[in-house]
Amino acid sequence: DTEVTQTPKHLVMGMTNKKSLKCEQHMGHRAMYWYKQKAKKPPELMFVYSYEKLSINESVPSRFSPECPNSSLLNLHLHALQPEDSALYLCASSQDRALGNTIYFGEGSWLTVV
Amino acid sequence: GEDVEQSLFLSVREGDSSVINCTYTDSSSTYLYWYKQEPGAGLQLLTYIFSNMDMKQDQRLTVLLNKKDKHLSLRIADTQTGDSAIYFCAEKRNNNDMRFGAGTRLTVKP
Repeated sequence: DTEVTQTPKHLVMGMTNKKSLKCEQHMGHRAMYWYKQKAKKPPELMFVYSYEKLSINESVPSRFSPECPNSSLLNLHLHALQPEDSALYLCASSQDRALGNTIYFGEGSWLTVV
Repeated sequence: GEDVEQSLFLSVREGDSSVINCTYTDSSSTYLYWYKQEPGAGLQLLTYIFSNMDMKQDQRLTVLLNKKDKHLSLRIADTQTGDSAIYFCAEKRNNNDMRFGAGTRLTVKP
């Protein structure tokens, strides 16, 4: 089983709303990632958690707030987003951050900010 | 901009072979990946190759790596309409950063 589950699949939110994207994996992976993918572009790394601690923040604006409540869950809290934040948000996981470990992606959450 | 480069489009006829090419620039890259993304979906891992290998075959997929030229290719034999998707080449560097190419959109015509 190499499944990373993301909810919701689609989200439409206003610029003053607060919402969250959720990600879950039960593969025992200890590294989890958030990527952002704009249309016709490759995924871009946003955050990396390793053993439930934030390891990498790729200079992401504070209106995106990640949270890793436990080793299976990863959330992305959204507040005061802009229309240009509309994108596909991909969660991923790997056994850990060692070089040889493959990163597995979820199906993504399509976010539209209106 | 990406340090991983791919051509943006490829069109083949059903039953033909598809070859998707990728070049990368970081000689410290040790793992190279191919992901497939169908419309509206996430990234599906297809295959990967370690940099001490020249070739890896998995059913209809063949990956060739030319480390001297920093060139990676994915060959899909007997291409089917279900293979139509965007294919991303990605390299994993020593700092564990995963860098993606822009993606090649493969169209399979019946």
